[in-house]
Amino acid sequence: DAGITQSPRHKVTETGTPVTLRCHQTENHRYMYWYRQDPGHGLRLIHYSYGVKDTDKGEVSDGYSVSRSKTEDFLLTLESATSSQTSVYFCAISENGTPNTGELFFGEGSRLTVL
Amino acid sequence: KNEVEQSPQNLTAQEGEFITINCSYSVGISALHWLQQHPGGGIVSLFMLSSGKKKHGRLIATINIQEKHSSLHITASHPRDSAVYICAVTGYTGNQFYFGTGTSLTVIP
Repeated sequence: DAGITQSPRHKVTETGTPVTLRCHQTENHRYMYWYRQDPGHGLRLIHYSYGVKDTDKGEVSDGYSVSRSKTEDFLLTLESATSSQTSVYFCAISENGTPNTGELFFGEGSRLTVL
Repeated sequence: KNEVEQSPQNLTAQEGEFITINCSYSVGISALHWLQQHPGGGIVSLFMLSSGKKKHGRLIATINIQEKHSSLHITASHPRDSAVYICAVTGYTGNQFYFGTGTSLTVIP
């Protein structure tokens, strides 16, 4: 257990509203990731962070922004939610410092529905 | 393009059967991961390996670096093994993981 919690776990919102998902970890891991999971696509990387204020885009970053102002929190924001962003969002951390050496641990997931 | 391919996509087995799930990848890797996701549930790491074989209980994971292939075996399968099994790899460079689309396993009592 890598001490990862996501909030909210479930959210229903309307098109055009902003949404922020929070990922909190308790063990000071450097690398944190946001993925979305959709049927037929598997897990796709939205953004990741390799330290405080250090973030980079993944393959499906359009429409999303992230922030990491402290080690333990990685926030994912949908500035103006669209129905195509209806998905299950997973936060993950890479244990032991780097992706090359670290085991992956996931949060419980956040199910977002955009009407 | 899919850096990681899994087969089969879906698998149904009778309780007690020996199960094999395959993963092939096209990039150079430093590690390969097997993950498990129960229906409606979170994702759990089963194995991380970079060579050879690892065993946890009834689960065995093998990797052949030269052939860019890994297998996950389940011996004496049980209905509680019903889940989606996901293969992921970490490339030599970069900070990302690449995921397969998963194999959905159903074990019938």
